[in-house]
Amino acid sequence: QSALTQPPSVSGSPGQSVTISCTGTSSDVGSYNRVSWYQQPPGTAPKLMIYEVTNRPSGVPDRFSGSKSGNTASLTISGLQAEDVADYYCSSYTSSSTWVFGGGTKLTVL
Amino acid sequence: EVQLVQSGAEVKKPGESLKISCKGSGYSFTSYWIGWVRQMPGKGVEWMGIIFPGDSDTRYSPSFKGQVTISADKSITTAYLHWSSLKASDTAMYFCATSYGGPNRGFDYWGQGTLVTVSS
Repeated sequence: QSALTQPPSVSGSPGQSVTISCTGTSSDVGSYNRVSWYQQPPGTAPKLMIYEVTNRPSGVPDRFSGSKSGNTASLTISGLQAEDVADYYCSSYTSSSTWVFGGGTKLTVL
Repeated sequence: EVQLVQSGAEVKKPGESLKISCKGSGYSFTSYWIGWVRQMPGKGVEWMGIIFPGDSDTRYSPSFKGQVTISADKSITTAYLHWSSLKASDTAMYFCATSYGGPNRGFDYWGQGTLVTVSS
């Protein structure tokens, strides 16, 4: 199974919105609503931000939202803040009963 | 409070064996999947595999199958990641994590990471 495809980097100004895409296949993203998104600031462990495509764990701001269409999932961060600077990873359940991560996207707030 | 506490950093030589640990507390250890994630220096995260401590059902990413062994000792609520013969390319940070919110969520609680350095 190959890693899911994410853009290496995205950027936006404070207050703007950015969207990070995550493209898989019909064997993972396209077949299951088990897509998660993680935020990893430098030097820390990843933190779950979105699960089951659209759901936010308790404590995650509603500025973070997820969606999916076909084989591509997306994470949108609205009202960008300096504290959002981090690497973001998507993850999907697969037809092999395992999970796979995306390659990661570095978010820069200009 | 759900906590995962990992063992400390390791420095090993190529060919040596190693087992790192991840102790869970604050939840029913046998009822939730626990897994391992690799992060090589300056690179992204990679899903390695998971184990269900209740029955030891274990699943591996094809990339890691045969390269590592995941196990768990439910009597001491601890999961393990084991290498029988380390390579320099195993140098990485390794995180354990659990799907406490349910198997559909992915990993919602993470350990602090264990840095493994393999060098001659």
